[in-house]
Amino acid sequence: EADIYQTPRYLVIGTGKKITLECSQTMGHDKMYWYQQDPGMELHLIHYSYGVNSTEKGDLSSESTVSRIRTEHFPLTLESARPSHTSQYLCASSDSGAGSGNTIYFGEGSWLTVV
Amino acid sequence: RKEVEQDPGPFNVPEGATVAFNCTYSNSASQSFFWYRQDCRKEPKLLMSVYSSGNEDGRFTAQLNRASQYISLLIRDSKLSDSATYLCVVRGPTGGFKTIFGAGTRLFVKA
Repeated sequence: EADIYQTPRYLVIGTGKKITLECSQTMGHDKMYWYQQDPGMELHLIHYSYGVNSTEKGDLSSESTVSRIRTEHFPLTLESARPSHTSQYLCASSDSGAGSGNTIYFGEGSWLTVV
Repeated sequence: RKEVEQDPGPFNVPEGATVAFNCTYSNSASQSFFWYRQDCRKEPKLLMSVYSSGNEDGRFTAQLNRASQYISLLIRDSKLSDSATYLCVVRGPTGGFKTIFGAGTRLFVKA
């Protein structure tokens, strides 16, 4: 089982609110990711990090921001939530090893609804 | 053209059937290949890695054809619990970052 945790699991908030989705992993992985997925649709990478103080935008443009101050922690922040941000956000991590070390492990996801 | 393409679903099969999923990838430098399973409203979970020589895990068999840039997953003796979306995943060269998830193929196994 993967040791990667996301909070909150479910969140309903009003438009314009600032939110932070937390993600922590205890596997010592250097790479971490945030994916966005609408129900029944494909995964879209929105942010990734190679390690501490490294963050990059993914393939899908997102108004969210991320930070990586500690290896184990990769929070995602929306400064002003909008209904279009309603989605599932999945945090993931992997290490830099070859072969099976390349496996990406996912957290259980955070379901965000903006009303 | 997408970098990773999978069979469009859904696949509707009876229990006990054998079902095969196909996946093609466009980057010939890709080095790691995986099949993930995703249940409805859950996170993707690793089903199995795919090795060049092909590999088997119980009822599941994965094959890789580098020349054709093609990956397959065979499920034998389908169970109701196999109903899920199966994601083909392709990763760039070791040390690189790029990991591409396919859009997934939905499988429904019916009694």
